[in-house]
Amino acid sequence: AQSVAQPEDQVNVAEGNPLTVKCTYSVSGNPYLFWYVQYPNRGLQFLLKYITGDNLVKGSYGFEAEFNKSQTSFHLKKPSALVSDSALYFCAVRDRDTGGFKTIFGAGTRLFVKA
Amino acid sequence: DAMVIQNPRYQVTQFGKPVTLSCSQTLNHNVMYWYQQKSSQAPKLLFHYYDKDFNNEADTPDNFQSRRPNTSFCFLDIRSPGLGDAAMYLCATSRSGMSALLPINFGPGTRLTVT
Repeated sequence: AQSVAQPEDQVNVAEGNPLTVKCTYSVSGNPYLFWYVQYPNRGLQFLLKYITGDNLVKGSYGFEAEFNKSQTSFHLKKPSALVSDSALYFCAVRDRDTGGFKTIFGAGTRLFVKA
Repeated sequence: DAMVIQNPRYQVTQFGKPVTLSCSQTLNHNVMYWYQQKSSQAPKLLFHYYDKDFNNEADTPDNFQSRRPNTSFCFLDIRSPGLGDAAMYLCATSRSGMSALLPINFGPGTRLTVT
């Protein structure tokens, strides 16, 4: 069975500082990995994905994520945080070897960026 | 623009009174999902339609049902809402097969209040 863990309920960072939101996953096959962001009372917005190829993937709003197969991690990063990045971030996984298209979400990490 | 639309955005119902939430899409995606999200928790998959085939998650209560009359529309029926069913309900779409590479697309959600 596939699962996703986001070990931090909340991450606090000062504006202009780098940010990292952590994610680890477990799948029986090879993963498709995604990051989504959710603003209050809104649906989830896609940020970026890892399918195959380069382990460092770049996405929307200056975010990037690094796929680490040995550590089964897919941490979200941004070199310089903005106050407007404050939101709820979800990591998600899909197990491609089972032909699956069911996306399972982590519990979410709330990011606070202080001015 | 192609999109996922949910109506209404806010729904209030009484305890035990049946309620239906609506979702439509202009993406022509063959897979449609319903997720339940409670107070900043991870979206929890209730069920999905793969074309006309209904796939229920094992832990989805019988109180929740769904209908998909055609490719574009999908409904979530809650037969007898309880206070614990108050949540944000998210509709999402995707394409199967090789297009499983693509992230799923979320609607803005319907926030259900049970009084």
